[in-house]
Amino acid sequence: AQSVTQLGSHVSVSEGALVLLRCNYSSSVPPYLFWYVQYPNQGLQLLLKYTSAATLVKGINGFEAEFKKSETSFHLTKPSAHMSDAAEYFCAVSDPWGTGFQKLVFGTGTRLLVSP
Amino acid sequence: GAVVSQHPSRVICKSGTSVKIECRSLDFQATTMFWYRQFPKQSLMLMATSNEGSKATYEQGVEKDKFLINHASLTLSTLTVTSAHPEDSSFYICSAQGVSGNTIYFGEGSWLTVV
Repeated sequence: AQSVTQLGSHVSVSEGALVLLRCNYSSSVPPYLFWYVQYPNQGLQLLLKYTSAATLVKGINGFEAEFKKSETSFHLTKPSAHMSDAAEYFCAVSDPWGTGFQKLVFGTGTRLLVSP
Repeated sequence: GAVVSQHPSRVICKSGTSVKIECRSLDFQATTMFWYRQFPKQSLMLMATSNEGSKATYEQGVEKDKFLINHASLTLSTLTVTSAHPEDSSFYICSAQGVSGNTIYFGEGSWLTVV
């Protein structure tokens, strides 16, 4: 069965500092991996996704993530945090070969706090 | 861009009553919709997958008679929590997949509180 672990329910950074949100996955088959962001009172918005092409994936708003098979990780990074990045971030995995591409298994989420 | 709207965003109901949550795709046709539930400090858990015009497929452990899902049109799916109990209080969120199947879009979610 697939699963996703997000280390740290809260991450605090200062504006302009590096953002690093951790995600490790467990999957018996090559997975598809996703990062979603949720702003208060809004739906989930796709930041980026890995679908077995380039291991370094660039997304919206300056975010990127690198798929590392040896570490079973898909950490999300952004070089310089902005106040508007404060939100809840979810990592998710899907099995494109069995249960279906869009059937997502989510992590518990990490709340990013950005201080001035 | 594509928008998926859920209604109501928050609802409080009495124990034993039923409550309906709507999920609408506003500017695209959604052939498949997914319903998730999230308890506090836990992951979003897939409850069921619904395809327009057919019965929903429920995940293991989800009571289909309690969580009624209807996907009668390509733009609307509804989740009805029947005979709600306090333990059903949760955050319910839907997602919709368009005809192309390449991307899914999430609704804003609905907070259900059963008192």
